[in-house]
Amino acid sequence: DIVMTQTPLSSPVTLGQPASISCRSSQSLVHSDGNTYLSWLQQRPGQPPRLLIYKISNRFSGVPDRFSGSGAGTDFTLKISRVEAEDVGVYYCTQATQFPRTFGGGTKVEIK
Amino acid sequence: QVQLQESGPGLVKPSQTLSLTCTVSGGSISSGGYYWSWIRQHPGKGLEWIGYIYYSGSTYYNPSLKSRVTISVDTSKNQFSLKLSSVTAADTAVYYCARDGAAAGTIDYWGQGTLVTVSS
Repeated sequence: DIVMTQTPLSSPVTLGQPASISCRSSQSLVHSDGNTYLSWLQQRPGQPPRLLIYKISNRFSGVPDRFSGSGAGTDFTLKISRVEAEDVGVYYCTQATQFPRTFGGGTKVEIK
Repeated sequence: QVQLQESGPGLVKPSQTLSLTCTVSGGSISSGGYYWSWIRQHPGKGLEWIGYIYYSGSTYYNPSLKSRVTISVDTSKNQFSLKLSSVTAADTAVYYCARDGAAAGTIDYWGQGTLVTVSS
Protein backbone atom coordinates (compact mmCIF):
# COMPACT_ATOMS: atom_id res chain seq x y z
CA ASP A 1 0.00 0.00 0.00
CA ILE A 2 1.11 3.58 -0.61
CA VAL A 3 1.86 5.32 2.67
CA MET A 4 0.81 8.96 2.90
CA THR A 5 2.74 11.03 5.43
CA GLN A 6 1.47 14.44 6.47
CA THR A 7 3.35 17.19 8.27
CA PRO A 8 2.94 18.90 10.60
CA LEU A 9 0.64 16.94 12.89
CA SER A 10 -0.70 20.20 14.23
CA SER A 11 -0.63 23.75 12.91
CA PRO A 12 -1.58 26.61 15.22
CA VAL A 13 -2.32 29.63 13.06
CA THR A 14 -3.27 33.24 13.70
CA LEU A 15 -6.52 34.33 12.06
CA GLY A 16 -5.81 35.95 8.73
CA GLN A 17 -2.41 34.33 8.41
CA PRO A 18 -1.47 31.59 5.92
CA ALA A 19 -1.21 27.89 6.68
CA SER A 20 0.54 25.16 4.76
CA ILE A 21 0.24 21.38 5.03
CA SER A 22 2.57 18.90 3.42
CA CYS A 23 1.74 15.41 2.19
CA ARG A 24 4.36 12.97 0.96
CA SER A 25 3.62 9.62 -0.64
CA SER A 26 5.84 6.53 -0.47
CA GLN A 27 5.55 6.10 -4.25
CA SER A 28 4.84 8.36 -7.17
CA LEU A 29 1.16 9.16 -7.52
CA VAL A 30 1.31 9.60 -11.29
CA HIS A 31 -1.15 7.11 -12.76
CA SER A 32 -0.51 5.27 -16.02
CA ASP A 33 -3.23 7.46 -17.56
CA GLY A 34 -1.15 10.56 -16.82
CA ASN A 35 -3.33 11.86 -14.00
CA THR A 36 -2.28 12.26 -10.37
CA TYR A 37 -5.13 11.25 -8.10
CA LEU A 38 -4.23 13.22 -5.00
CA SER A 39 -7.04 14.91 -3.09
CA TRP A 40 -7.40 16.98 0.05
CA LEU A 41 -10.24 16.65 2.54
CA GLN A 42 -11.32 18.87 5.42
CA GLN A 43 -13.01 17.46 8.52
CA ARG A 44 -14.49 20.04 10.83
CA PRO A 45 -15.16 18.95 14.43
CA GLY A 46 -18.10 16.56 14.60
CA GLN A 47 -18.57 16.57 10.84
CA PRO A 48 -17.85 14.09 8.04
CA PRO A 49 -14.93 14.82 5.75
CA ARG A 50 -15.54 17.28 2.93
CA LEU A 51 -13.74 17.38 -0.41
CA LEU A 52 -11.62 20.48 -0.97
CA ILE A 53 -9.17 19.70 -3.77
CA TYR A 54 -8.88 16.87 -6.29
CA LYS A 55 -6.18 15.90 -8.81
CA ILE A 56 -3.61 17.99 -6.96
CA SER A 57 -4.98 21.45 -7.60
CA ASN A 58 -8.64 21.43 -8.67
CA ARG A 59 -10.96 23.09 -6.19
CA PHE A 60 -14.25 21.28 -5.66
CA SER A 61 -17.54 23.12 -6.13
CA GLY A 62 -18.13 25.74 -3.45
CA VAL A 63 -14.64 25.64 -1.99
CA PRO A 64 -13.28 29.14 -1.28
CA ASP A 65 -10.35 30.25 -3.40
CA ARG A 66 -8.19 30.76 -0.30
CA PHE A 67 -7.60 26.99 -0.52
CA SER A 68 -5.05 25.86 -3.09
CA GLY A 69 -3.20 22.68 -3.85
CA SER A 70 0.11 22.07 -5.57
CA GLY A 71 2.82 19.49 -6.03
CA ALA A 72 3.84 16.59 -8.21
CA GLY A 73 5.13 13.03 -8.01
CA THR A 74 5.43 12.30 -4.32
CA ASP A 75 5.27 15.75 -2.70
CA PHE A 76 2.12 17.79 -2.34
CA THR A 77 1.00 20.87 -0.45
CA LEU A 78 -2.30 22.35 0.66
CA LYS A 79 -2.23 26.07 1.36
CA ILE A 80 -4.77 28.29 3.04
CA SER A 81 -3.94 31.87 2.09
CA ARG A 82 -5.71 33.52 5.04
CA VAL A 83 -7.05 31.26 7.76
CA GLU A 84 -10.58 31.92 8.93
CA ALA A 85 -12.29 30.58 12.07
CA GLU A 86 -14.35 28.12 9.99
CA ASP A 87 -11.14 26.49 8.70
CA VAL A 88 -10.48 24.85 12.08
CA GLY A 89 -10.40 21.08 11.73
CA VAL A 90 -8.33 18.18 10.51
CA TYR A 91 -7.08 18.01 6.95
CA TYR A 92 -6.33 14.76 5.16
CA CYS A 93 -4.62 13.96 1.90
CA THR A 94 -5.72 10.82 0.07
CA GLN A 95 -4.54 8.98 -3.02
CA ALA A 96 -6.47 6.88 -5.50
CA THR A 97 -3.66 6.26 -7.99
CA GLN A 98 -2.88 2.82 -6.66
CA PHE A 99 -5.29 0.30 -5.13
CA PRO A 100 -6.20 0.43 -2.30
CA ARG A 101 -7.01 4.07 -1.60
CA THR A 102 -5.00 5.35 1.37
CA PHE A 103 -5.15 8.43 3.54
CA GLY A 104 -2.63 10.55 5.36
CA GLY A 105 -2.76 10.63 9.14
CA GLY A 106 -4.22 14.13 9.23
CA THR A 107 -3.09 17.61 10.18
CA LYS A 108 -4.99 19.57 12.78
CA VAL A 109 -5.41 23.27 12.04
CA GLU A 110 -6.25 25.33 15.08
CA ILE A 111 -6.33 29.00 15.94
CA LYS A 112 -3.60 30.41 18.17
CA GLN B 1 -26.99 17.54 -4.97
CA VAL B 2 -26.23 13.97 -4.04
CA GLN B 3 -26.93 13.00 -0.43
CA LEU B 4 -26.03 9.79 1.35
CA GLN B 5 -27.40 8.49 4.63
CA GLU B 6 -26.16 5.53 6.63
CA SER B 7 -28.50 3.38 8.70
CA GLY B 8 -28.12 0.32 10.87
CA PRO B 9 -27.53 -0.88 14.44
CA GLY B 10 -25.26 1.24 16.60
CA LEU B 11 -24.28 -1.70 18.79
CA VAL B 12 -23.03 -5.09 17.64
CA LYS B 13 -21.83 -7.98 19.77
CA PRO B 14 -18.35 -9.43 19.32
CA SER B 15 -18.13 -12.23 16.73
CA GLN B 16 -21.37 -11.10 15.09
CA THR B 17 -21.86 -9.38 11.73
CA LEU B 18 -22.05 -5.62 11.38
CA SER B 19 -24.64 -4.59 8.78
CA LEU B 20 -25.15 -1.08 7.45
CA THR B 21 -27.13 0.39 4.56
CA CYS B 22 -26.54 3.60 2.67
CA THR B 23 -29.45 5.31 0.97
CA VAL B 24 -28.58 7.64 -1.89
CA SER B 25 -30.77 10.57 -2.91
CA GLY B 26 -30.35 13.28 -5.51
CA GLY B 27 -28.71 10.90 -7.95
CA SER B 28 -29.04 7.36 -9.24
CA ILE B 29 -26.55 4.63 -8.39
CA SER B 30 -27.44 3.09 -11.77
CA SER B 31 -26.29 6.12 -13.75
CA GLY B 32 -22.71 4.84 -13.65
CA GLY B 33 -19.43 6.69 -13.47
CA TYR B 34 -19.12 6.35 -9.73
CA TYR B 35 -18.05 3.81 -7.16
CA TRP B 36 -20.07 3.62 -3.96
CA SER B 37 -17.77 3.37 -1.01
CA TRP B 38 -17.52 2.51 2.65
CA ILE B 39 -14.88 4.19 4.80
CA ARG B 40 -14.42 4.04 8.54
CA GLN B 41 -12.80 6.19 11.18
CA HIS B 42 -11.76 4.76 14.52
CA PRO B 43 -12.50 7.09 17.45
CA GLY B 44 -10.12 10.03 17.35
CA LYS B 45 -8.15 8.47 14.52
CA GLY B 46 -7.70 8.73 10.77
CA LEU B 47 -9.62 7.30 7.83
CA GLU B 48 -9.58 3.74 6.50
CA TRP B 49 -11.01 2.74 3.13
CA ILE B 50 -13.06 -0.46 3.39
CA GLY B 51 -14.18 -1.02 -0.18
CA TYR B 52 -16.55 0.00 -2.93
CA ILE B 53 -19.05 -1.30 -5.42
CA TYR B 54 -20.06 -0.30 -8.92
CA TYR B 55 -23.70 -0.31 -9.95
CA SER B 56 -23.05 -3.47 -11.96
CA GLY B 57 -22.15 -5.26 -8.76
CA SER B 58 -18.38 -5.33 -9.22
CA THR B 59 -16.69 -5.00 -5.86
CA TYR B 60 -13.25 -3.99 -4.64
CA TYR B 61 -12.18 -4.50 -1.05
CA ASN B 62 -9.25 -3.38 1.05
CA PRO B 63 -7.02 -6.47 1.29
CA SER B 64 -6.69 -5.87 5.03
CA LEU B 65 -10.44 -6.50 5.49
CA LYS B 66 -11.29 -8.54 2.41
CA SER B 67 -11.88 -11.83 4.20
CA ARG B 68 -14.63 -10.27 6.35
CA VAL B 69 -16.27 -7.69 4.06
CA THR B 70 -19.19 -7.93 1.68
CA ILE B 71 -20.61 -4.91 -0.13
CA SER B 72 -23.80 -5.25 -2.15
CA VAL B 73 -26.05 -2.93 -4.13
CA ASP B 74 -29.81 -2.68 -4.61
CA THR B 75 -30.35 -0.35 -7.55
CA SER B 76 -34.16 -0.60 -7.24
CA LYS B 77 -33.92 1.05 -3.82
CA ASN B 78 -30.91 3.22 -4.70
CA GLN B 79 -29.06 1.69 -1.77
CA PHE B 80 -25.83 -0.12 -1.12
CA SER B 81 -24.86 -2.11 1.94
CA LEU B 82 -21.91 -3.23 4.03
CA LYS B 83 -21.52 -6.44 5.97
CA LEU B 84 -18.48 -6.99 8.17
CA SER B 85 -18.30 -10.38 9.81
CA SER B 86 -16.63 -11.66 12.98
CA VAL B 87 -16.35 -8.20 14.49
CA THR B 88 -14.20 -7.34 17.49
CA ALA B 89 -13.75 -4.20 19.57
CA ALA B 90 -11.19 -3.09 16.98
CA ASP B 91 -14.07 -2.62 14.52
CA THR B 92 -15.65 0.07 16.71
CA ALA B 93 -15.66 3.14 14.47
CA VAL B 94 -17.70 5.73 12.66
CA TYR B 95 -18.69 4.21 9.34
CA TYR B 96 -19.19 6.51 6.37
CA CYS B 97 -20.71 5.78 3.02
CA ALA B 98 -19.50 7.95 0.17
CA ARG B 99 -19.42 8.44 -3.59
CA ASP B 100 -16.10 7.93 -5.34
CA GLY B 101 -15.86 9.53 -8.77
CA ALA B 102 -13.94 7.34 -11.19
CA ALA B 103 -13.03 10.21 -13.52
CA ALA B 104 -11.80 12.58 -10.84
CA GLY B 105 -10.42 9.80 -8.66
CA THR B 106 -11.86 11.37 -5.57
CA ILE B 107 -14.57 10.98 -2.97
CA ASP B 108 -16.85 13.92 -3.58
CA TYR B 109 -19.86 13.26 -1.35
CA TRP B 110 -20.00 11.71 2.11
CA GLY B 111 -22.75 10.59 4.42
CA GLN B 112 -22.92 11.97 7.94
CA GLY B 113 -21.48 8.75 9.35
CA THR B 114 -22.80 6.33 11.92
CA LEU B 115 -21.01 5.15 15.04
CA VAL B 116 -20.94 1.41 15.46
CA THR B 117 -19.77 0.08 18.80
CA VAL B 118 -18.73 -3.54 19.21
CA SER B 119 -19.42 -4.62 22.76
CA SER B 120 -21.15 -7.39 24.64
